[in-house]
Amino acid sequence: GESVGLHLPTLSVQEGDNSIINCAYSNSASDYFIWYKQESGKGPQFIIDIRSNMDKRQGQRVTVLLNKTVKHLSLQIAATQPGDSAVYFCAENRAGGYQKVTFGTGTKLQVIP
Amino acid sequence: DAGVIQSPRHEVTEMGQEVTLRCKPISGHNSLFWYRQTMMRGLELLIYFNNNVPIDDSGMPEDRFSAKMPNASFSTLKIQPSEPRDSAVYFCASSLKTDEQYFGPGTRLTVT
Repeated sequence: GESVGLHLPTLSVQEGDNSIINCAYSNSASDYFIWYKQESGKGPQFIIDIRSNMDKRQGQRVTVLLNKTVKHLSLQIAATQPGDSAVYFCAENRAGGYQKVTFGTGTKLQVIP
Repeated sequence: DAGVIQSPRHEVTEMGQEVTLRCKPISGHNSLFWYRQTMMRGLELLIYFNNNVPIDDSGMPEDRFSAKMPNASFSTLKIQPSEPRDSAVYFCASSLKTDEQYFGPGTRLTVT
């Protein structure tokens, strides 16, 4: 069923350390996954995506890992910086003939200077 | 590129009043989305347009909500009459490919 965001999980990381944000998805039919970053007062911003035929994809300082067996997605941020402080959403695209994307409830990343 | 433009950025209105939110998608994008974000329910898709045609409006909460896209460069989301539980941040997003969506800055709606 659909989860309700009563409490936003928070991850606190020391500046310079690596961050790992996890996400579980429920629909085995999902074939495309996206990570978005939302800073306070702004709209979500695309970070990186991965298709179901891949298990890893790297970007600039970010890596997304996909484990289809356990329906798990993670976002790794290397050398976390204060500017990385934000809420991070994973999203899944469920096969349905168009571009519907379902967003998770989000994880708040706090970077400690 | 100016990105997705939304107006107004903030709207405060009284219960029962009509509210109209506006969105200008990125030029050349063929898909437009309206989302609502609240602390309780997170980010919810309200309606999706492709080539100006509404494809999926299953997320529109009630008949009080309506959305239009008269042309490729403009869309509106209207709430009539508004209620306090409609208070939220409303985002418009546009995309070209079947993946990356570009979000606007949002409209923070407060209904008293």
